[in-house]
Amino acid sequence: LAKTTQPISMDSYEGQEVNITCSHNNIATNDYITWYQQFPSQGPRFIIQGYKTKVTNEVASLFIPADRKSSTLSLPRVSLSDTAVYYCLQPGGADGLTFGKGTHLIIQP
Amino acid sequence: NAGVTQTPKFQVLKTGQSMTLQCAQDMNHNSMYWYRQDPGMGLRLIYYSASEGTTDKGEVPNGYNVSRLNKREFSLRLESAAPSQTSVYFCASSEVPGQGLSGELFFGEGSRLTVL
Repeated sequence: LAKTTQPISMDSYEGQEVNITCSHNNIATNDYITWYQQFPSQGPRFIIQGYKTKVTNEVASLFIPADRKSSTLSLPRVSLSDTAVYYCLQPGGADGLTFGKGTHLIIQP
Repeated sequence: NAGVTQTPKFQVLKTGQSMTLQCAQDMNHNSMYWYRQDPGMGLRLIYYSASEGTTDKGEVPNGYNVSRLNKREFSLRLESAAPSQTSVYFCASSEVPGQGLSGELFFGEGSRLTVL
């Protein structure tokens, strides 16, 4: 079973900021948090990875509080092409490689 | 740079037939993985190979066998296909094993298998 919990689905509109939260209550000291994006008929694609505080790249930001029991993926100014499934992974140990059902993000015009 | 290449992309089998899905990566990664994804579901780990010469079971290994042929190649074999194995299969690789740091996975495009 996946070690993380995230909402099944979310809706938003073009130009909005979208925040997707993931819970990982049993995160180990060495575990990083990694987020992936998957479009239909494609394999997942790495978005961002972090250990604590805030990480930002050209695609997204990742916020991880001090207790590291949750993380929030932030997508700024989403577009229709951001409609996808987003997975949060806690890649520590073999069971950390299991993807849950992810969050189905639907962006509307 | 091809990344992770899977063959075949599509396959239809009859119940009881056998087949092998091939996967190759050109990134010199140590670890390789096989996942299956059923409609509306996340990816479930079938087998993985943390390094050349080792393989381990994942969440759903029953009905499958794997071979880590060399550092580049990791194959998945269905000895006697069943309709329950109808799925999309993804191969992935990573620089380090998915234990702890920097377990970024690079995925292939998937192989769609239908078992009649």
